[in-house]
Amino acid sequence: AQSVSQHNHHVILSEAASLELGCNYSYGGTVNLFWYVQYPGQHLQLLLKYFSGDPLVKGIKGFEAEFIKSKFSFNLRKPSVQWSDTAEYFCAVNAGTSGNTGKLIFGQGTTLQVKP
Amino acid sequence: DGGITQSPKYLFRKEGQNVTLSCEQNLNHDAMYWYRQDPGQGLRLIYYSQIVNDFQKGDIAEGYSVSREKKESFPLTVTSAQKNPTAFYLCASGQATYNEQFFGPGTRLTVL
Repeated sequence: AQSVSQHNHHVILSEAASLELGCNYSYGGTVNLFWYVQYPGQHLQLLLKYFSGDPLVKGIKGFEAEFIKSKFSFNLRKPSVQWSDTAEYFCAVNAGTSGNTGKLIFGQGTTLQVKP
Repeated sequence: DGGITQSPKYLFRKEGQNVTLSCEQNLNHDAMYWYRQDPGQGLRLIYYSQIVNDFQKGDIAEGYSVSREKKESFPLTVTSAQKNPTAFYLCASGQATYNEQFFGPGTRLTVL
């Protein structure tokens, strides 16, 4: 069965520190990859997505992610975090064989706490 | 103003009662989804629907039921058969071919 694993469950950083959140998935075929963010009290919203092409994708608020097919990974990065980045982050995968149902499989989530 | 609305925001239920959570979207999306969010477990798919009058079970459908009589609406009923219903429930919609999903604000259900 397809699965998504986020290795960091709770990350605490100081402002201006660099961020990398790990995401690995288990599926050998074509995948679409997503990072969603849930700020305190707000809707879950899309940070960035990868469908094809350049494996380094840029999203909103200075976030980027790199798709490494050989490692089945889609890690999220930000060079310098801000207090406002405090949120829960979810990696999600849609596998090609799902027949365009749009079904997403989510990782367990990573809670990021940025200290001012 | 386009988006997804869920109601109520908070819901309390006594054991043995069925409750229905509302989800409405005005984004003209074909597909709609229900997820359950529990701490440390991410989002798990309960049911999804790609078209009116059709829906499929997700990974944790037991104890839940849905209907899709209108494109805009996808209500979720949490039945008394659901053993551990206390959770945060999220509704989403999207165009299936694009795979991106848009989420509502959620309903927090507590069983007393």
